[in-house]
Amino acid sequence: AQRVTQPEKLLSVFKGAPVELKCNYSYSGSPELFWYVQYSRQRLQLLLRHISRESIKGFTADLNKGETSFHLKKPFAQEEDSAMYYCALGQGGSEKLVFGKGTKLTVNP
Amino acid sequence: EAGVTQFPSHSVIEKGQTVTLRCDPISGHDNLYWYRRVMGKEIKFLLHFVKESKQDESGMPNNRFLAERTGGTYSTLKVQPAELEDSGVYFCASSLFGRGSYEQYFGPGTRLTVT
Repeated sequence: AQRVTQPEKLLSVFKGAPVELKCNYSYSGSPELFWYVQYSRQRLQLLLRHISRESIKGFTADLNKGETSFHLKKPFAQEEDSAMYYCALGQGGSEKLVFGKGTKLTVNP
Repeated sequence: EAGVTQFPSHSVIEKGQTVTLRCDPISGHDNLYWYRRVMGKEIKFLLHFVKESKQDESGMPNNRFLAERTGGTYSTLKVQPAELEDSGVYFCASSLFGRGSYEQYFGPGTRLTVT
């Protein structure tokens, strides 16, 4: 069965510190992985996806098929990064997304 | 450009009553999805429309839930009769059809409370 695991419910770091939000997936096919973010009082929005291999707001994520992981990283966290982050798995042909439970990131001043 | 809109933003109903949630996708988006997040659980897929056709309704929990998308524009999700376990936040999302359609644009959600 398809599954996305985000082991950390809460993550707290200080401004300027590196941050890594973990995501592991279980999928027998060729996965498409995404990170969605929800800032306070805003709607869920796409942050980045593995296909594009781009950096958004300083965040990057590399798909590691051997470890079935898609961890989100940022070298220097900012207070405005505080939000709820969801890792999601797209299933080819279906287009539905399978979400992890989310990690609440708090960046302290 | 207006994003995905959902109505109402909150709904409190009693067990056994009926509630209808509405979603207006971004204009021109053929794909429309419904998801929900039950307290403490992950966001779960309910169903997917392509225009007015149900492409995938594998996530619908039971036959108390009925989704429609007449004319391929807005969609409604009706819960009848509502049960306590239906409480949660219902999200709608839309995307363009074709490759790249995975960029789903989400609405603000409808918080449903069944008492």
